This record gives sequence, structure tokens and C-alpha cells, in this order.
Amino acid sequence: GAGVSQSPSNKVTEKGKDVELRCDPISGHTALYWYRQSLGQGLEFLIYFQGNSAPDKSGLPSDRFSAERTGGSVSTLTIQRTQQEDSAVYLCASSLTGQGASPLHFGNGTRLTVT
Amino acid sequence: QQQVKQSPQSLIVQKGGISIINCAYENTAFDYFPWYQQFPGKGPALLIAIRPDVSEKKEGRFTISFNKSAKQFSLHIMDSQPGDSATYFCAASWANSKLTFGKGITLSVRP
Repeated sequence: GAGVSQSPSNKVTEKGKDVELRCDPISGHTALYWYRQSLGQGLEFLIYFQGNSAPDKSGLPSDRFSAERTGGSVSTLTIQRTQQEDSAVYLCASSLTGQGASPLHFGNGTRLTVT
Repeated sequence: QQQVKQSPQSLIVQKGGISIINCAYENTAFDYFPWYQQFPGKGPALLIAIRPDVSEKKEGRFTISFNKSAKQFSLHIMDSQPGDSATYFCAASWANSKLTFGKGITLSVRP
């Protein structure tokens, strides 16, 4: 079946520009996560959506980062006024229930390069 | 505070050998311990997971060993193959919490 789809797969942008990254989760999955992966830094949690609950934004590194999830499905991560340190792979994952033992299904990520 | 720590940071193993990756955790409330495998250009994928009520779980060539008193768990890859070369992340969670990931280790299996 269809997995988690992310677009674009690669994005090059100039410093100071805004970017939008899109995630299509697996149909029926109630939980959606965004992670950032920088070289040697592992998986950095950014934000978590669970059903209709208020999102857990505790991992967003600054107010330049925001995300929304429309209709409990597609999610968009927006980075405003991009900086070079924002360069990383942004991974989206979804899970069926969002409970601790519910496996995360990751997309292949969007590689963001800020020049 | 890093709640889940992996070691070593990188590992090189000869084909046919045993790869061992360790993970230590701090939060005694954790009750679910998965390992995720990530190939270059792909997102991580669940490999194997364990609950603390068992000390070992085996799936094919992959085994998780769990030591509750030491707050450690490890991944053993038997008969390691070049196709096992990837980044491995341990993680932990409890109840309704989200997963906390380790920093990952890169495994290279030499032919």
C-alpha cells in the first residue's frame, strides 16, 4: 500500500526565503510527526499532531518554524526567513494511533539546502 | 538531557560477523523499546521492538537483548551482511508518549 509521501524530495532556497514542505501520511493514521535530521545529529523532534488535539510544538527550534495539518490528513511544515543552519533533511512520519507502541512510518524526507 | 544514548557511534564489521549496538536509557517509565533501520536516502523503518517483560526477542538474524536492572538494551545482528549497512536508531517510549530516539550509529559491513 501507499506509504508516507513527502514533497519536494529536494529543495534549494536562498537565505531569507520562506519554504513549505508537504507530507501526505498513510490514510487512516491519526498521528503525524515532523523530525529534522542533520548530519551526525540524529532525529530531532519538531512537532506532533494527534487527531483533533492541540499539536505538541515543543520541538520547534524557533518561531520561524510552523506547521499545520488540514482535515486530519495532509501536513505542511513552513520555515520562514530561512537560515543556513536550517539546511537538513526534514522527515515526516505517521502512525495509526500515536500511542507509544504504535510504529512510526517515515517518508523519505525533503532535503533542504539554504544557500 | 539525552534520555536515550547509543554506543558505539560507528561500527565496522566483517561479513559473517556479529554486529552489536548498545543503547542505555534513563527514564524507568519507558516500556517500549524499538530499533529503527535507515538506508541512505530513505526514512527510518521499524526493525524490531521489545517490551520489558521479556529479556530477549529474536526475528531472523536480528535479536534484541534487554537488561532492565542496567537500563540497557542492545541489538545483535548475526551473520552480518553488506546489505545490513545502514544507520540504526534505538528509541524508547511509555504509555501515550512519543518516541525518544538515540542519535543513531552507522554500521558498515565489509564484504
